[in-house]
Amino acid sequence: DGGITQSPKYLFRKEGQNVTLSCEQNLNHDAMYWYRQDPGQGLRLIYYSQIVNDFQKGDIAEGYSVSREKKESFPLTVTSAQKNPTAFYLCASRKGGQGANEQFFGPGTRLTVL
Amino acid sequence: DAKTTQPNSMESNEEEPVHLPCNHSTISGTDYIHWYRQLPSQGPEYVIHGLTSNVNNRMASLAIAEDRKSSTLILHRATLRDAAVYYCILRGLSGSARQLTFGSGTQLTVLP
Repeated sequence: DGGITQSPKYLFRKEGQNVTLSCEQNLNHDAMYWYRQDPGQGLRLIYYSQIVNDFQKGDIAEGYSVSREKKESFPLTVTSAQKNPTAFYLCASRKGGQGANEQFFGPGTRLTVL
Repeated sequence: DAKTTQPNSMESNEEEPVHLPCNHSTISGTDYIHWYRQLPSQGPEYVIHGLTSNVNNRMASLAIAEDRKSSTLILHRATLRDAAVYYCILRGLSGSARQLTFGSGTQLTVLP
């Protein structure tokens, strides 16, 4: 079945450590996205990539980094520079192009920094 | 950026229709109206989208006002599985406007 996978579902890290969240899709989608969600809030865009080897900052990119070396993969690294990293992180993908086509979301990774 | 306004919460009885409103008075001519919903501890799920005409799919209907300054998502018969946060989002076709900007959405509670 085609879809987006994120691993792990729950992640615990000590303060000051970098951590990388995985996002893989087998939908052959060109565009991929990372969002952050805090309790009771909507999603906020961290980074997005519309094509391999290219990505752009979203609204809250500070303290995060990404790479897009393969079409299927868009890992997100939460660095120690991120002041409040505890949140629910969601990855999404979209077919791409100018159309208004939908984004498909993964199940999310809940990161807790102790 | 064009923004949307939705009620924080709504309630509905099971098996009854639900009308979820969204105001977007600053919408531009090329903005599409998208609706997503999010169940607890899950990623959002696409529901429907439209530009000018009303739209129907297997999940819901989207009614768009003639001036496009508001829209309504219609669930024809609410079930307990429809309890979720519903997001109304405007999406443009170029530059940063192509990205989805999520507000706080409407928390729909379905009563048995």
